[in-house]
Amino acid sequence: QSALTQPASVSGSPGQSITISCTGTSSDVGNHNLVSWYQHLPGQVPKVIIYEVSERPSGVSTRFSGSKSGNTASLTISGLQSEDESYYYCCSYVSGATWVFGGGTKVTVL
Amino acid sequence: EVQLVESGGGLVQPGGSQRLTCAASAFRFSSNWMHWVRQAPGKGLVWVARINSDSSSISYGDSVRGRFTISRDNAKDTVYLQMSSLRAEDTAVYYCVRENRDGYHFDSWGQGTLVTVSS
Repeated sequence: QSALTQPASVSGSPGQSITISCTGTSSDVGNHNLVSWYQHLPGQVPKVIIYEVSERPSGVSTRFSGSKSGNTASLTISGLQSEDESYYYCCSYVSGATWVFGGGTKVTVL
Repeated sequence: EVQLVESGGGLVQPGGSQRLTCAASAFRFSSNWMHWVRQAPGKGLVWVARINSDSSSISYGDSVRGRFTISRDNAKDTVYLQMSSLRAEDTAVYYCVRENRDGYHFDSWGQGTLVTVSS
């Protein structure tokens, strides 16, 4: 169960779009459409913003979108806003009823 | 509103044991799979363990398998994590997490309880 690979940090200016990658293997990301993304703001608990690769829970901004190609999933934040500054984690289901998180990405709004 | 309240954290010596408790409310607890996820200081989230609705299926992360035991009491709307043979690297905030009934993602998190393993 090696952690999924995410960039340690991504930054962008307000209004820009940024993309966070999440690379796994054919046993996790590449084997299921069961990737989710979590926003973890300082002092708060993680919040799901994308599930099943590209589905958005009710109430989550449409500025967040997800996709997947092969063993790599991606989270895109469009129209970057100051309140998007946070840590973001991907997570994938792995066969055998286990899950694996990515190492996390710190998003900075310049 | 869904509530998950963890308790049982604290300072424990290496090699010791600790039991975490998560009290759930405001949803049909017996219908949801439950998980524990941890976060070491300054580190990322790590999935720890999962238990299905009737305790017939349980799974663990590699780093805790054989040392930690997850269990639940549906009559008390409570899930537990019994931790033994604790190591310094088990020091973390432990979150109780609800899996969405549609499956495979986590839709509610407790505030977490800090476990510190140190002599």
